[in-house]
Amino acid sequence: NAGVTQTPKFRVLKTGQSMTLLCAQDMNHEYMYWYRQDPGMGLRLIHYSVGEGTTAKGEVPDGYNVSRLKKQNFLLGLESAAPSQTSVYFCASSYPGPGTAFGQGTRLTVV
Amino acid sequence: DAKTTQPPSMDCAEGRAANLPCNHSTISGNEYVYWYRQIHSQGPQYIIHGLKNNETNEMASLIITEDRKSSTLILPHATLRDTAVYYCIVKSGGSNYKLTFGKGTLLTVNP
Repeated sequence: NAGVTQTPKFRVLKTGQSMTLLCAQDMNHEYMYWYRQDPGMGLRLIHYSVGEGTTAKGEVPDGYNVSRLKKQNFLLGLESAAPSQTSVYFCASSYPGPGTAFGQGTRLTVV
Repeated sequence: DAKTTQPPSMDCAEGRAANLPCNHSTISGNEYVYWYRQIHSQGPQYIIHGLKNNETNEMASLIITEDRKSSTLILPHATLRDTAVYYCIVKSGGSNYKLTFGKGTLLTVNP
């Protein structure tokens, strides 16, 4: 049982490049989330999904897109990366069961 | 969701109990209190949650006041590995849907 797995763990992008962050969970959770965390701050919700084929905007969705084609996977896309998107990104999943499980994070730097 | 107030930082001696307070004076009747922690550079980790009654698991105890306006997370025998940021989150329902993180309390366990 691997829990929540994020790929890649580190990435450096040039401004304007695109990329996709992959998240996979093996707990059969219905809900999945993408958060970002900037230095000295708490996590902020980017997008989330309450089931396969569904997505919704969170607190800071601009500049990101997501897809949930399979229940176990949740993809986060950056179409045209900007330096303001330099951050640590966390994927998470929940329900059923107590607690939300988080991945180990992806450190993204946009130069 | 009700707002929470936590001290920005606390210290604790190794082997002693760590008592982390949280104020949630506007909590409503169907809102749960959740605690998570984030060890440096890692994803947050679920610790415990409760509604009215005190709760205990293998990680910690949660004490909720009778009026539910505040709570305390207790780590009975803190170790150096318990040094982390601890987040108190108030959320309606029991499914952890869309957690909102504040800045939490940085607990430093000293040898």
